[in-house]
Amino acid sequence: NAGVTQTPKFRILKIGQSMTLQCAQDMNHNYMYWYRQDPGMGLKLIYYSVGAGITDKGEVPNGYNVSRSTTEDFPLRLELAAPSQTSVYFCASRATDYYNEQFFGPGTRLTVL
Amino acid sequence: AQTVTQSQPEMSVQEAETVTLSCTYDTSESDYYLFWYKQPPSRQMILVIRQEAYKQQNATENRFSVNFQKAAKSFSLKISDSQLGDAAMYFCAYRRRSGGGADGLTFGKGTHLIIQP
Repeated sequence: NAGVTQTPKFRILKIGQSMTLQCAQDMNHNYMYWYRQDPGMGLKLIYYSVGAGITDKGEVPNGYNVSRSTTEDFPLRLELAAPSQTSVYFCASRATDYYNEQFFGPGTRLTVL
Repeated sequence: AQTVTQSQPEMSVQEAETVTLSCTYDTSESDYYLFWYKQPPSRQMILVIRQEAYKQQNATENRFSVNFQKAAKSFSLKISDSQLGDAAMYFCAYRRRSGGGADGLTFGKGTHLIIQP
């Protein structure tokens, strides 16, 4: 099992550019998440999904979009990148049983200049 | 909405000694989970320990234990026999149980733990 994988590991964007952060998991988890971590802060939830075709907003969804066409993949789209989106982005997944832990990907460091 | 507060931005401890990291939270839910995650410089989020709110017994995982005070909404992490490899950011996190807890974790801002050799 590769667990949760994220690509790319690092990216620099110019203001106004768009990009997609990729996330995949091979554990057949229904729940998937995107978080962002700003310097010196904890993680904040951007979007989450409870299964293919079902997504919902988290605490900080503005400026982002997601889709979930398969159980395995949960890409995060940034449209019109802004410096405020400079952050480290983590994808995570979890099985649906109450007790299960959330598995995190290695993160993507994004800088918007 | 729930909030998680870690009031210690940084803690320092001598190797082999014991250190306690503090966490308080606020929620209107009665059933939930609490977690401590470790984030080393590699950025990887590693689950250290978890506690179910309906269990009165404090969770323990080897050198790591918690002091869960539900009425006070307090959830501290004790690390015994601190090792150099324990140096990291530590995050306290909350997840509600209702709705399957599908809506993710709420994190505190973290405590940077330094281990002095």
